[in-house]
Amino acid sequence: ILNVEQSPQSLHVQEGDSTNFTCSFPSSNFYALHWYRWETAKSPEALFVMTLNGDEKKKGRISATLNTKEGYSYLYIKGSQPEDSATYLCAHQKSNQFYFGTGTSLTVIP
Amino acid sequence: GAVVSQHPSWVICKSGTSVKIECRSLDFQATTMFWYRQFPKQSLMLMATSNEGSKATYEQGVEKDKFLVNHASLTLSTLTVTSAHPEDSSFYICSAEGTDFSQYFGPGTRLTVL
Repeated sequence: ILNVEQSPQSLHVQEGDSTNFTCSFPSSNFYALHWYRWETAKSPEALFVMTLNGDEKKKGRISATLNTKEGYSYLYIKGSQPEDSATYLCAHQKSNQFYFGTGTSLTVIP
Repeated sequence: GAVVSQHPSWVICKSGTSVKIECRSLDFQATTMFWYRQFPKQSLMLMATSNEGSKATYEQGVEKDKFLVNHASLTLSTLTVTSAHPEDSSFYICSAEGTDFSQYFGPGTRLTVL
């Protein structure tokens, strides 16, 4: 994998459903993997920073896992709520530079 | 904490004019700030790294004479799009580096060149 790739590109789920998305990144020269939540007209909000293979982070209903050997991270949202609707970006950090995926746009339908 | 502002949030200008975008870290100091550009349905692409007290470094393919980056203080970086043309229309967003190499983003600037 040469670039950071996210899938799916967009997702619609019903309120209360759980969901997950994927971020794939080059496994060489890995420093850190970042997840951001980006609502329209606002600044991207940092969710997680993960550095170690096997890392699992959790914030409320949102959690993330990291596999640096195979170059992927999963973001999970449990019991989705309408306020979770946003674009979720991942960024692969090499040194102090970030390389972003195109994001997953999540819409939670009430 | 770690709030970054960006001004203006949107700007419309005529072809050939120059536009300056400001990025400020409001509650922390940032030696390094970054400027990204995003075209529709594409990812944020790093344009330049702004370093306080030294010249900015530009990514390959970014014209440094067209996109002037200046890091005037530990809380302010500016991006000036000189002699803007319609193909420069895009979404520009800055970030400021925190002490742990995390990046804190502004809300972005939508530039439309007529």
